[in-house]
Amino acid sequence: GNSVTQMEGPVTLSEEAFLTINCTYTATGYPSLFWYVQYPGEGLQLLLKATKADDKGSNKGFEATYRKETTSFHLEKGSVQVSDSAVYFCALTNPWEAAGNKLTFGGGTRVLVKP
Amino acid sequence: GAVVSQHPSRVICKSGTSVKIECRSLDFQATTMFWYRQFPKQSLMLMATSNEGSKATYEQGVEKDKFLINHASLTLSTLTVTSAHPEDSSFYICSARFGLAGKNEQFFGPGTRLTVL
Repeated sequence: GNSVTQMEGPVTLSEEAFLTINCTYTATGYPSLFWYVQYPGEGLQLLLKATKADDKGSNKGFEATYRKETTSFHLEKGSVQVSDSAVYFCALTNPWEAAGNKLTFGGGTRVLVKP
Repeated sequence: GAVVSQHPSRVICKSGTSVKIECRSLDFQATTMFWYRQFPKQSLMLMATSNEGSKATYEQGVEKDKFLINHASLTLSTLTVTSAHPEDSSFYICSARFGLAGKNEQFFGPGTRLTVL
């Protein structure tokens, strides 16, 4: 079956620091990969996505590259702000399966950015 | 972006009672809604998928008689936890999607925290 593994938090950073959240996956074929963000008190929001190998998703200064060879989709941001404090979820869908629209999530990583 | 609301945001109930959680798409018609469950420090686990006007499709291991899902309109789905017990305490999250499967984004509600005493 499909699975997503991401680093456990919390990750505590100072403002303007570099952020990396590791995410690896297990899936047959060519899944689509996503990063969702959940700000305090709000629902999950799609942050970025990539649908094929070597694609780079980017949004709000965040980037992640779909690496088929290492089955990874690590999230990075060069200079974080306090407003980036949130829980980040890595996820996949697998169009190679009959229920290809289902999202499989990682456990989430809480990020706290201090001024 | 599309907005999905959930009500209530937090509920505490006694063991043996039933609890209903509502999920509404506020500014779009949701052809499909999803219900997830999240334990502390764990992944969101899909419980069931519901399409408007038809029976929900439950994931393996989810008791359909315990977790009743109704998707009576294009903007409302409800999850009823029947005869709740302490092990049902969890964070329940819904999401909604319009359009063709696999083609459109899921929009998530803020979640409902259920505590069963």
